[in-house]
Amino acid sequence: EAGVAQSPRYKIIEKRQSVAFWCNPISGHATLYWYQQILGQGPKLLIQFQNNGVVDDSQLPKDRFSAERLKGVDSTLKIQPAKLEDSAVYLCASSLWGQETQYFGPGTRLLVL
Amino acid sequence: AQKITQTQPGMFVQEKEAVTLDCTYDTSDPSYGLFWYKQPSSGEMIFLIYQGSYDQQNATEGRYSLNFQKARKSANLVISASQLGDSAMYFCAMIHYNQGGKLIFGQGTELSVKP
Repeated sequence: EAGVAQSPRYKIIEKRQSVAFWCNPISGHATLYWYQQILGQGPKLLIQFQNNGVVDDSQLPKDRFSAERLKGVDSTLKIQPAKLEDSAVYLCASSLWGQETQYFGPGTRLLVL
Repeated sequence: AQKITQTQPGMFVQEKEAVTLDCTYDTSDPSYGLFWYKQPSSGEMIFLIYQGSYDQQNATEGRYSLNFQKARKSANLVISASQLGDSAMYFCAMIHYNQGGKLIFGQGTELSVKP
């Protein structure tokens, strides 16, 4: 069974530029999560989708971050405009509906200069 | 406040020995679950083991076991017979079943296995 796929793996941009990350969850997993992991910290949830609907986006900085999950499968997370403090690893995870275990992708390492 | 605390920033263990990584949690919700994830330098979070708050027995998965002490609000990970490939960051995380699927993570413990 293929795992969670993410791209790109690495991205370097300058502040005020925009960037987008892509995630393809495990086949059949209805729930998709985006986490932000700042260096030296544990991941923090940004947004949770159930199929193509948002369940929790309470910690998403909506003035600059947006996310969508059209058709309930792939998801895209966008930052526009990026700030220096957005430098982090962005992890995508998925789980079966009603199951507690989340499976993570390899992450995208973002560096904002 | 819902919080996970991992007090050991770094740990060393000799190859083939056992090691315990500490995790304490704070919650007033009776319905929750606890996880341990491994994060190698490549960055991916690898699921290791899970314990539900209502589970009577401690969880085990191969060389991993979870020492769950509910009254003390601790969920320590025990790795038996350490291997060089166990060197990584280890994160303890909590989920509340009545509050969606959000995982709350600790700060992590970096484990180094010496040959």
